[in-house]
Amino acid sequence: GEDVEQSLFLSVREGDSSVINCTYTDSSSTYLYWYKQEPGAGLQLLTYIFSNMDMKQDQRLTVLLNKKDKHLSLRIADTQTGDSAIYFCAESMGSSNTGKLIFGQGTTLQVKP
Amino acid sequence: DSGVTQTPKHLITATGQRVTLRCSPRSGDLSVYWYQQSLDQGLQFLIQYYNGEERAKGNILERFSAQQFPDLHSELNLSSLELGDSALYFCASSPREGADTQYFGPGTRLTVL
Repeated sequence: GEDVEQSLFLSVREGDSSVINCTYTDSSSTYLYWYKQEPGAGLQLLTYIFSNMDMKQDQRLTVLLNKKDKHLSLRIADTQTGDSAIYFCAESMGSSNTGKLIFGQGTTLQVKP
Repeated sequence: DSGVTQTPKHLITATGQRVTLRCSPRSGDLSVYWYQQSLDQGLQFLIQYYNGEERAKGNILERFSAQQFPDLHSELNLSSLELGDSALYFCASSPREGADTQYFGPGTRLTVL
C-alpha cells in the first residue's frame, strides 16, 4: 500500500539541531523527498535522496535513509527561526511511467528564540 | 522561484459553478502534476500529464478533469463545485515521465461559498 507517516509537531530552540522523522511503506520507492512549506506559501523542494543511498548532506541538511526499516529522517543543524515551517516527506513510486508523489501529513517545526 | 507558474492565485466562487486553474511548467519540463491540499485530506495527487498525454490518475473526482496543451501548459477544470472542494491546488513539473525531482508552483487557493 501507499502510506507515508510523520509526527505532527516538533519544537526546538534556536541553535539546536532538529530531526524530523518519516516512515514509508513502498519498498520500491525510487526517490524520497523533503519539501518545506511556509505559511501561505507553496512547496519548496529542500532535498531528495535516491533509494540506493544511505545518507545525503547538503549544507545544514542531512538526510538519512534506512531502507530495511523504511525510515527517512531530515536533520537540520543550527536551526534558525526562519526554519519554522511545515516539512513534508514524500515518496515517488517505483514506476518508470509516473513520478506521482505520496506525501506524509507534514511536521510543523516550531523554532523558539 | 521554482519556475512553475499558476493562475489565478485566489479564486472565490459559489457551489455548482465551474472553474479552470492554469499551470505553466518550468522551461523544458514535459511532465505536469496536479495535487490538492486540504485540511482533512492533506496533500493528495490528482493527475499527471506527460507531453500532452495522461499518465497517472490519483484520487481525482469525476467532476474534475485536466488536459495538457501542445505548448505544455496544463489546465485543471473543476465543475459542479461543492463546499468540500475548497482547497489549495498545486501544480508541479518535472523533466521526465517517471520518478524525478518535482518543482511546485505557488498554488491556487479555491474557496467555494
